[in-house]
Amino acid sequence: EIVLTQSPGILSLSPGERATLSCRASQSVSNSYLAWYQQKPGQAPRLLIYDAFSRATGIPDRFSGSGFGTDFTLTITGLEPEDFAVYYCQQYGNSPFTFGPGTKVDIK
Amino acid sequence: QVQLQESGPGLVKASETLSLICTVSGGFISDYYWSWIRQTPGKGLEWIGYVYYTGSTYYNPSLKGRVTISVDTSKNQFSLELSSVTAADTAVYFCARDRPSSNCFDSWGQGTLVTVYS
Repeated sequence: EIVLTQSPGILSLSPGERATLSCRASQSVSNSYLAWYQQKPGQAPRLLIYDAFSRATGIPDRFSGSGFGTDFTLTITGLEPEDFAVYYCQQYGNSPFTFGPGTKVDIK
Repeated sequence: QVQLQESGPGLVKASETLSLICTVSGGFISDYYWSWIRQTPGKGLEWIGYVYYTGSTYYNPSLKGRVTISVDTSKNQFSLELSSVTAADTAVYFCARDRPSSNCFDSWGQGTLVTVYS
């Protein structure tokens, strides 16, 4: 099973700032099958990025993904008030599919 | 736009079987994989398994043979059964649609809390 580690655990930023979130895998993720989700309290996760860098339908272009192998990054360029949430990465290159523990982006 | 809705008991007695149904609306269940995922404060998000509309399945080995996922295309539903539950199975359970040609999840139900009691 691939174990995903996310850092930092909490990221405190102000609106308008840039957020850089890291996801590291315990072994290489096949085909860069890595997704990012946003979750707000009481809601289901929402798919933001799939295949490491492709934005899901309706996701604003301030969200971008990058990386390959074992190291992946989600960047949010210019945080909007609605972006303060928890972000999870998920790998689906190897079964069982696994999620990271999350990074909370909160308001500084 | 497809919508998913979980339904089922919110309380399950320890050692018994947890049963949930996911109803899909706004789209057909055909041609997609459909997954169950659960979330706990301690273990985070855990993928449980998926079913294809044909009925083929794949489960997370961590659940050690306790899981059954099935599909009913005539009702546009799929279901989850988890047997021999313990307190560790207390979680919010989500149903989700797998994105075409991948196993990330592009549509989710709102989630339902299932509490295991003794």
